[in-house]
Amino acid sequence: DGGITQSPKYLFRKEGQNVTLSCEQNLNHDAMYWYRQDPGQGLRLIYYSQIVNDFQKGDIAEGYSVSREKKESFPLTVTSAQKNPTAFYLCASSIGVSGLRAEAFFGQGTRLTVV
Amino acid sequence: RKEVEQDPGPFNVPEGATVAFNCTYSNSASQSFFWYRQDCRKEPKLLMSVYSSGNEDGRFTAQLNRASQYISLLIRDSKLSDSATYLCVVTRGYQKVTFGTGTKLQVIP
Repeated sequence: DGGITQSPKYLFRKEGQNVTLSCEQNLNHDAMYWYRQDPGQGLRLIYYSQIVNDFQKGDIAEGYSVSREKKESFPLTVTSAQKNPTAFYLCASSIGVSGLRAEAFFGQGTRLTVV
Repeated sequence: RKEVEQDPGPFNVPEGATVAFNCTYSNSASQSFFWYRQDCRKEPKLLMSVYSSGNEDGRFTAQLNRASQYISLLIRDSKLSDSATYLCVVTRGYQKVTFGTGTKLQVIP
């Protein structure tokens, strides 16, 4: 079955540590996105990538880094520079071809908690 | 100004009521429009696409007004199971997907 998979579902991080959240899709989508959602808040865009080896900062990129070495994979690293990383992280993908109706498909999310 | 704006609510409505949400977008070059539904502590899921001619899916009707740059979602005969957050989504350019912050709906028995 095609889909988008995030792992782990729950992640605990000690202060000062970097952690990497995984996002893999087998939908052959060009575009991938990372969002952060805080309790009672909407989705805020961290980074997005429209094509392999290219990515752009979203609205809240500080303290995060990404890579896009393969079409299927778009990992997000939450660095120690991110002062308030506890949140629900959602990865999404969309087909990425201009002119087509580009609904986004989401992974099930990773809930990150700093301990 | 935010690219996509929604009233956060919450909208508290009795079962059976009709409720409508609006969402405004700032960029006239926006190309595709969607409504997503997000249940508590879950990922958003596509509810319906929004077409210029308007579209209906059962109790749900979506409309797009390009001149005024807004989209709307109408829910008729509200059910308890409709309680969720409804996210407006706008895409433009080469798949730049922008989400609104969502409107929370609570249907009350």
